[in-house]
Amino acid sequence: QITLKESGPVLVKPTQTLTLTCSFSGFSLNTDGMGVAWFRQPPGKALEWLTLIYWDDDKRYRPSLKSRLTVTKDISKSQVVLTMTNMDPVDTATYYCARRLSHVIGGITISVFDYWGQGTLVSVSS
Amino acid sequence: DVQMTQSPSSLSASVGDRVIITCRASQDIVTYLNWYQLKPGKAPKLIIFAASNLQSGVPSRFSGGGSGTDFTLIINNLQPDDFATYCCQQSYNSPWTFGQGARVEV
Repeated sequence: QITLKESGPVLVKPTQTLTLTCSFSGFSLNTDGMGVAWFRQPPGKALEWLTLIYWDDDKRYRPSLKSRLTVTKDISKSQVVLTMTNMDPVDTATYYCARRLSHVIGGITISVFDYWGQGTLVSVSS
Repeated sequence: DVQMTQSPSSLSASVGDRVIITCRASQDIVTYLNWYQLKPGKAPKLIIFAASNLQSGVPSRFSGGGSGTDFTLIINNLQPDDFATYCCQQSYNSPWTFGQGARVEV
């Protein structure tokens, strides 16, 4: 059974750094092709992809947030950690982590996010 | 960034109805399109990947189609558990982007 769970503070102050942990089970992040991504959804807005870390430690960041984001993995703990610096009230959102796989279908290789955590609501306020 | 636009943003339906949700990409994304079901307080659920492929364990009343810029999600014989928000997501290029969601309500 594959599960992911996000944990971290529910409230951070403006300018502080947010650290969220994604703890997962049922798969290994050192398997070829595997990845774990972070997303967020501000209240009433669309889901937004933030970052992705691959099994080989390759990393991708949302360009508009790249300077503020860091993602790391701890294989032994089955965890992926997201840090976001200089938090602002506009960063208030539900933050999710998800497993990334690739499927080869009809000649294309597509990234899918097939298992997600329930999300954690992070509010930014003084 | 590839912009994803869904319609309608919300719709009212009844159990047993057929529901069609559309998603339009701002550029050709071939079939690099996934659909997710979102419910408050629950983990998002992958429904369809690569435009028309049903994720394992998802009921066959869900189907997807389209290619290029226009895509559809169809739910036949709507069931009580299907009242939720549905989002499309493109995996054509990074940053991966989502539609704003289509809420299916009673």
